[in-house]
Amino acid sequence: SQTIHQWPATLVQPVGSPLSLECTVEGTSNPNLYWYRQAAGRGLQLLFYSVGIGQISSEVPQNLSASRPQDRQFILSSKKLLLSDSGFYLCAWGVTGSLDYGYTFGSGTRLTVV
Amino acid sequence: AQKITQTQPGMFVQEKEAVTLDCTYDTSDQSYGLFWYKQPSSGEMIFLIYQGSYDEQNATEGRYSLNFQKARKSANLVISASQLGDSAMYFCAMSRAYGQNFVFGPGTRLSVLP
Repeated sequence: SQTIHQWPATLVQPVGSPLSLECTVEGTSNPNLYWYRQAAGRGLQLLFYSVGIGQISSEVPQNLSASRPQDRQFILSSKKLLLSDSGFYLCAWGVTGSLDYGYTFGSGTRLTVV
Repeated sequence: AQKITQTQPGMFVQEKEAVTLDCTYDTSDQSYGLFWYKQPSSGEMIFLIYQGSYDEQNATEGRYSLNFQKARKSANLVISASQLGDSAMYFCAMSRAYGQNFVFGPGTRLSVLP
């Protein structure tokens, strides 16, 4: 069965420090991968998505970046965190062109920038 | 452009009563899917129910049912016999036959009162 792993679960980082969040998927090949951010009590904001290795599309220009070094690995990074980067980050995978196949989400990373 | 509207930022329901969470969508696609996700305070996104645009019968999954009215472009979630564990954020989402990502609504926070 397909599973998605996301870590760490929580993270407290000082302003200006780097960030690396990792997401891996098991049990499927060539998934579409997504990074979402969620402010407290708010909706989901799509940050990046990837349809294949090395293919990254950015939805929101900011100081975050994403990479997909392997088929089932998706990494969210920042060189210098801002206070506004605090939030709940969710990784998800899906299937292109499949209407009835919903997203599967990781368990999320709660990031606090101090 | 595709858009999901959830007009109820917050809802209260008494335990054991039924509750309807509203969702309307805007799309020019002929084929699409509609999903509901539950997000408890832990942050995980839990898939609840799916409705295809060509499905003639409303979807049901245990205590969850989806009141699909295609002409009105609405896909309301009905939770019967509410339980305290139903307290959470609920997101309506739409998939497309092409394109790379879902469209999510802003969410409705449901609180079940004892």
